[in-house]
Amino acid sequence: DSGVTQTPKHLITATGQRVTLRCSPRSGDLSVYWYQQSLDQGLQFLIQYYNGEERAKGNILERFSAQQFPDLHSELNLSSLELGDSALYFCASSVEGYGATNEKLFFGSGTQLSVL
Amino acid sequence: QQQVKQSPQSLIVQKGGISIINCAYENTAFDYFPWYQQFPGKGPALLIAIRPDVSEKKEGRFTISFNKSAKQFSLHIMDSQPGDSATYFCPGGGADGLTFGKGTHLIIQP
Repeated sequence: DSGVTQTPKHLITATGQRVTLRCSPRSGDLSVYWYQQSLDQGLQFLIQYYNGEERAKGNILERFSAQQFPDLHSELNLSSLELGDSALYFCASSVEGYGATNEKLFFGSGTQLSVL
Repeated sequence: QQQVKQSPQSLIVQKGGISIINCAYENTAFDYFPWYQQFPGKGPALLIAIRPDVSEKKEGRFTISFNKSAKQFSLHIMDSQPGDSATYFCPGGGADGLTFGKGTHLIIQP
């Protein structure tokens, strides 16, 4: 158990809809990262927050947004969903927020999103 | 965009053999060179990592080797077991080095 909690585990929705994915980081970790994993793109970085502030932005679509709350949990909002948004979405956390090439990341078990 | 080049994309090894996966990076500012392991339906988890001040680190059957001049690091799995069948990732891609890419799909045949 990594200590990172993601809910829900599975989400099935229709095209055009909006969903919210939730992540609670490991106790003591100030930074949260969101990743999207698909067969053709691999594990792609979407966005990172550190102590409530956006720190880095990756290949995140404009239809997607995220935020980190004062209690450090984070939410990823996906809107106007398309079939191609079907993927596994992972949240990871770390202590200092310097990224995977500087410190250990702890990943949650992911949310499987299916857009029908 | 910086690249991390992981090879091979897939690998099949017989039980008891040695599995070798390589990662070549561009950014010399990286300070931590990890390998993550992911089983189907699970999140990636840190397997082993090395700092650039050492050239090799061994943890059980897993060894990570770092070549600073060649800007690459490798994962060696000795006496590979079916339970090692998983996807292995190294980070370092993208503008901030935060992307992992497609990884290496390792299959250990009994």
